[in-house]
Parts: sequence; C-alpha cells; structure tokens
Amino acid sequence: ILNVEQSPQSLHVQEGDSTNFTCSFPSSNFYALHWYRWETAKSPEALFVMTLNGDEKKKGRISATLNTKEGYSYLYIKGSQPEDSATYLCAPSSYNTDKLIFGTGTRLQVFP
Amino acid sequence: GAVVSQHPSRVICKSGTSVKIECRSLDFQATTMFWYRQFPKQSLMLMATSNEGSKATYEQGVEKDKFLINHASLTLSTLTVTSAHPEDSSFYICSAGAVGKGNEQFFGPGTRLTVL
Repeated sequence: ILNVEQSPQSLHVQEGDSTNFTCSFPSSNFYALHWYRWETAKSPEALFVMTLNGDEKKKGRISATLNTKEGYSYLYIKGSQPEDSATYLCAPSSYNTDKLIFGTGTRLQVFP
Repeated sequence: GAVVSQHPSRVICKSGTSVKIECRSLDFQATTMFWYRQFPKQSLMLMATSNEGSKATYEQGVEKDKFLINHASLTLSTLTVTSAHPEDSSFYICSAGAVGKGNEQFFGPGTRLTVL
C-alpha cells in the first residue's frame, strides 16, 4: 500500500454541525484500516480498526464505514463539539506486515 | 491501558552532536516498536520497525548508521540520531504494538528535534 489520500486537508465547522471526511487507499492486499485522532501536544489516539468490507463502527458521536472493494473509508462526526478539534489520520495495513501507511490527515477545527 | 511515553518531548542540539530519544511502553509489553518521522504538512513516515532483541528493519531511504535503533527490552526502544545536522530537524514519534492486540499501534507523544 503506497498511496493513502485523505480529504479534505482541513475543515472548519460550527459547533453542532455534522461533518465527514474521506480516506482513500489502494484496495489490493488490504488487511485493516485504522483511524486515529491526534490532538495537538498529545499522542495519536486509536479510534477504530476495521477489517471487513461494509463494516461500520461507532464510538459516541463518531462513526466510520469501510469499503474494501473500492478502497475508501468515511469518518463521520455528528454534532461536532470544540473538543473534537484534532487531526484525523487514517492508515491501512496489508497482509503479512504490521506496518501502517498514514495519510496526511484531515485537520478539523470546531468553533463554538 | 496501552500508554506509551517518549522522552524528551523537545530537544535542541548543535550540529554534529548525537541525540537519543526513548520510547517506553508503560503498562504493556511491546513486541514491536515503530519509529516515524513527520515533516511539516506531511504524513507520518515510517522510518524503521524494531523487535525486541533483534536488529531493526529500516525503510528504504533511511540510513541505519544515521538513525540507530536499539530495542533492548519489551518496554523500551531508543532512537539515536547520530551526528545530527539541521536537515535532521523534524518531529519523531514512536509507536508500540502490544501482544494480543493484532496490528494496533499505540503512540507516544513525539519528540521535536531542532538541530542548530
């Protein structure tokens, strides 16, 4: 897996708005897709690990879907709050390796 | 659980000196540790993968004699930037894989290195 793209690069929303971002990756040799949230001056925090096509995972107001055949994942945040402000990274991994290949991330800012 | 610390968080050094960065898994044993580097506005780039008690595996283009990695125990890996130069200034971050956690990685908070 060489090319991981995330869009948009940055996003500014008002508190209460719902938002979503995209992670695109080559679908060949896919094993798992990881989503991380990275707040400034903190460690990246794992949100989801997804492996199955059509999988959907949810954690509070955040959810993610996975399409392994076409090579994309969406991350949704419902009713954004200022504390959701962070960079959201996705990273697919391949079979026979535990390496993660990271996208450049989507930087989200939620204004009160 | 699954906390990773990294030390120092920030270091400024003179050109030509060596800098050691420590990565520790505080509450679990890390079978594998990973070292990444991030340039401004770019993604995390994997530099090397280290397994306890064996030599690190470096990614293409990463000089192993420049970036020395030691993984002496299941809770500690160190990255030493030898003879640092201004172009080595970057953000370095480690992650650790835990036994029984599949290929999930737990990250440290990173180290900002500035070489004058």
